Amino acid sequence: EAAVTQSPRNKVTVTGGNVTLSCRQTNSHNYMYWYRQDTGHGLRLIHYSYGAGNLQIGDVPDGYKATRTTQEDFFLLLELASPSQTSLYFCASSVGTGENTLYFGAGTRLSVL
Amino acid sequence: GQQVQQSPASLVLQEGENAELQCNFSTSLNSMQWFYQRPGGSLVSLFYNPSGTKHSGRLTSTTVIKERRSSLHISSSQTTDSGTYLCALERGTNTGKLTFGDGTVLTVKP
Repeated sequence: EAAVTQSPRNKVTVTGGNVTLSCRQTNSHNYMYWYRQDTGHGLRLIHYSYGAGNLQIGDVPDGYKATRTTQEDFFLLLELASPSQTSLYFCASSVGTGENTLYFGAGTRLSVL
Repeated sequence: GQQVQQSPASLVLQEGENAELQCNFSTSLNSMQWFYQRPGGSLVSLFYNPSGTKHSGRLTSTTVIKERRSSLHISSSQTTDSGTYLCALERGTNTGKLTFGDGTVLTVKP
């Protein structure tokens, strides 16, 4: 079973604060994704990457930066956090796209006060 | 408008009853996937089903492209099936970009 580990699991920050969410996968998957999920809604794609050093823009990228430093590690950065970014964040990975299974981390719950 | 619409928004069953969850999409489809989200929040992939019917245990997924719909059938529901079921379509060919529906919250009572 593919392992995707997110940290921290919970984070509280203030408006204007600086936050980094971390994601590590241990199966050398090519693709990694950052999604956000707001209460009562499905997931929305923020950024994704298909390899170290690569970054692709998702559907809701405003206010977020991401970096893929290695095959295993994908980071999501909020440099000036706003209350609208309060959400549940999921990282996921897959070998490829299409029929390749998506494996999710346990999620990071972020509150911006 | 929303590209992926799921119905019903919520469903309550008695254990042993069957469930039929629907996913309708308004854009062209390259692939359809179904996910289960546990009450604690974690997600697991259930089906990749771009067309036709697939089975996995008590679960059956059917996608009919020309009717722009996909369904998830759960037979003989169990309390452990409780959670949220999400469908997602992939836009473009092998882009990895999924658009999710808002989900169906299923509660199975003993």
